[in-house]
Amino acid sequence: AQSVTQPDIHITVSEGASLELRCNYSYGATPYLFWYVQSPGQGLQLLLKYFSGDTLVQGIKGFEAEFKRSQSSFNLRKPSVHWSDAAEYFCAVGFGNEKLTFGTGTRLTIIP
Amino acid sequence: DAGITQSPRYKITETGRQVTLMCHQTWSHSYMFWYRQDLGHGLRLIYYSAAADITDKGEVPDGYVVSRSKTENFPLTLESATRSQTSVYFCASGVRDDTEAFFGQGTRLTVV
Repeated sequence: AQSVTQPDIHITVSEGASLELRCNYSYGATPYLFWYVQSPGQGLQLLLKYFSGDTLVQGIKGFEAEFKRSQSSFNLRKPSVHWSDAAEYFCAVGFGNEKLTFGTGTRLTIIP
Repeated sequence: DAGITQSPRYKITETGRQVTLMCHQTWSHSYMFWYRQDLGHGLRLIYYSAAADITDKGEVPDGYVVSRSKTENFPLTLESATRSQTSVYFCASGVRDDTEAFFGQGTRLTVV
């Protein structure tokens, strides 16, 4: 069965600084890859997705993610974070007969 | 409004009572899902449905019952609520089960 790991439970970043959230997956083939964001008290919103092709994917809210096959990773990045980016971020993978599987999430705190 | 809606948003119930969480989507997506979100566990799939009258167990189905008589509705019933079922429950829908899912706002359930 596929699995997805988000090694960082909690990350604190200064406003205006760059951000990278890590995501690693375990699967025999390249799965479909997703990043979701969850603001407090809200549902999950899709930030971006990767199916195939260009390994650098652009998403909403200025986020991007890079798929690295050799590292089985799909890290989320943002060059300059805003206070409104404080939220929980989930990486997810899915493929074929493997249903969408979520990581345990990374909570992002932004300090002034 | 188009989208996916859950009701109620908040619910407190007593141990042993039956409680039903409602989920309604207007996209006519084939797939619908129920997840529970708990600290340290991320999102775990409870049940899912591929179409009306087709349901299947996810990762943590014990203590839950689902039905799907209409494509747009996917209620989740806790037959005899236990404290361990205190959680935030999310309903989601999608075109497939291995690609992006669209989430409702969640129901925060407390079992006392």
